[in-house]
Order: sequence, then C-alpha cells, then structure tokens
Amino acid sequence: AQSVSQHNHHVILSEAASLELGCNYSYGGTVNLFWYVQYPGQHLQLLLKYFSGDPLVKGIKGFEAEFIKSKFSFNLRKPSVQWSDTAEYFCAVALNTNAGKSTFGDGTTLTVKP
Amino acid sequence: DTGVSQDPRHKITKRGQNVTFRCDPISEHNRLYWYRQTLGQGPEFLTYFQNEAQLEKSRLLSDRFSAERPKGSFSTLEIQRTEQGDSAMYLCASSLVAMGLEGYTFGSGTRLTVV
Repeated sequence: AQSVSQHNHHVILSEAASLELGCNYSYGGTVNLFWYVQYPGQHLQLLLKYFSGDPLVKGIKGFEAEFIKSKFSFNLRKPSVQWSDTAEYFCAVALNTNAGKSTFGDGTTLTVKP
Repeated sequence: DTGVSQDPRHKITKRGQNVTFRCDPISEHNRLYWYRQTLGQGPEFLTYFQNEAQLEKSRLLSDRFSAERPKGSFSTLEIQRTEQGDSAMYLCASSLVAMGLEGYTFGSGTRLTVV
C-alpha cells in the first residue's frame, strides 16, 4: 500500500521568508500528486495537482511544487510567505489507475510570524 | 452550487448509540468519498462511490460502518454501536472523474464525539 511522508510537523517562518515543505511517497507506479491546504477554521482546499507533463506545477496564491520521480518527492514551495499563509498543508497521492482513492500525509502546520 | 455540504457539523453521542451523517456533493460530481481525520493525522480513507456504486471500502473499516449513496446524489454514513475510538472528524469530498483524476472538493466535516 502506498504511504505519504511529510517530514516537518510544524514550520515557523517570518513573513517574506521562502518556504519548502517536503513530501515523499512510497509507490513505484504512476501517481497523481496533490497538495491541499486548510486555513484556520476552514475546510480542506486543493492547492495544486500534478498528473503528467511538466514536473513543475503552479497552484493558487503563488505556490508551486516540483515532482522528482527519481526521489519519489513532491515538495511544495513559495518564494515569499505571507502571514495569511498560516495553515496546515497536506500532501496526497493517488494511483494513476482511475482508482480515485488518495492517501494523505499527516500534514505540516505552517505558522508565519508577521 | 455552494460546494459540498455536510450535516450535522457536530454530533455528541453516548457510547453504544447509532449515528448517521449526511453529505451533499457538488451536483455534477460523480464521485463521493468519505474520510476520517483525527488530531495530528491526515485524512484516512473510508470508502468511495462512483454514482450510486460503492467501489471501495477500507479494510480498516469495521462492520459497524456502512455508507450509501442511493440515487447517486447525496450519501449517508452510519456508525452503529459507537465506541470512543470513533471520535473523529468525518470528511466528505466529491470530484468529477471524466478524462482523469481530479482533486477533491471537501466539505467542512462532521465532528463526532463519543462520550
């Protein structure tokens, strides 16, 4: 069964700092990859997704993620964070077999200090 | 369409009671998923439907859990003889699977507390 590992449980940054959140998955086949975000008091929202093609994908609010197949990684990045980026971030993997089920990591809480 | 709706938002029940949750997905979405989330963990897959067909159910799910999507629209998740370990946030999500997989649209969840 596939699993997803998010290396950092809690990250604290100052505004304007650069962000990189790690995500590794364990599955050798073709995968679809997602990052979701949950702002305080809100429901989970899709931030970005990768299916195929360019391994560098861009999402909403200036976030991007890079799929590195050889490293089984899909790290999330943002060049300059804002206080409003304070949230919990979840990486998820789905097998590319139209199975539908996604496996989520345990999340990384990002706190951005103003 | 205002998104995925879940009802109730909160449910407190005594151990041993049955509870039922409802999810109304985005109307044009053909897939509906149920996940469970506890504090400090990511969402854990329970089951999913394509239209009215239940296509997969987690092996972790005991026989006390059952889900339906009778007309391919809304879905219900029932937990019988609740236990304290069932306390969690129950999340519903929907997606449209046409040419390929899409990300989920989540509801706000139903928080279950078993006392």
